[in-house]
Amino acid sequence: SYVLTQPPSVSVAPGDTASIPCGGDNIGSDSIHWYQQKPGQAPVRVIYYNNDRPSGIPERFSGSKSGNTATLIISRVEAGDEADYYCQVWDGFSDHPGVFGGGTKLTVL
Amino acid sequence: QVQLVESGGGVVQPGMSLRLSCVVSGFSFSGHAMHWVRHTPGKGLEWVAVIWYDGTTKYYGDSVKGRFTISRDSSKNSLYLQMNSLRVEDTALYYCVKDEGQLTGSFEDWGRGTKVTVSS
Repeated sequence: SYVLTQPPSVSVAPGDTASIPCGGDNIGSDSIHWYQQKPGQAPVRVIYYNNDRPSGIPERFSGSKSGNTATLIISRVEAGDEADYYCQVWDGFSDHPGVFGGGTKLTVL
Repeated sequence: QVQLVESGGGVVQPGMSLRLSCVVSGFSFSGHAMHWVRHTPGKGLEWVAVIWYDGTTKYYGDSVKGRFTISRDSSKNSLYLQMNSLRVEDTALYYCVKDEGQLTGSFEDWGRGTKVTVSS
């Protein structure tokens, strides 16, 4: 079955760029979506279809893919970006198609 | 604006049942697939189930297949999750989630969740 692998944590200083990777065997052929979840709040979609940004999400958030790895990139990181971030794919060929990565805790130093 | 409001969570013993509900507003319910996603502090987000925009097709995560049933009632703008044979590991915050379209697998809007605790 589909497995998405994320590092448990990433740390970055304010103003720097954070890169959160998400690895998976079939990522190259599937669309990746990214969600931000702050403590006590519901998740919010921050990137969809690899690099589209919903309205209201700052331009500092972007996504990329290379080979079997997708990456969420947050430029000019702010304290308010500290959160858990999850990648997700939809495996349309499976009868249990929804798959999340394990999540990455972004810490702003 | 889009609103998804879950209810029905609670504390139950292993083996018992619960039925979660989600009332939606602010969009055309019959035009979107709907999902349940759960969150636990230790495991993160886990996709639970999906029901097609027209209710014709349903899929489930491996951990709940055969125990949980997703359904929808367009006349009531409501989504449901019938949870039977509950286990301790089903303890989680359950979110009602709107798909971006009829079925895209992109989770556009989320409710605030309803808490389920399974404990003896």
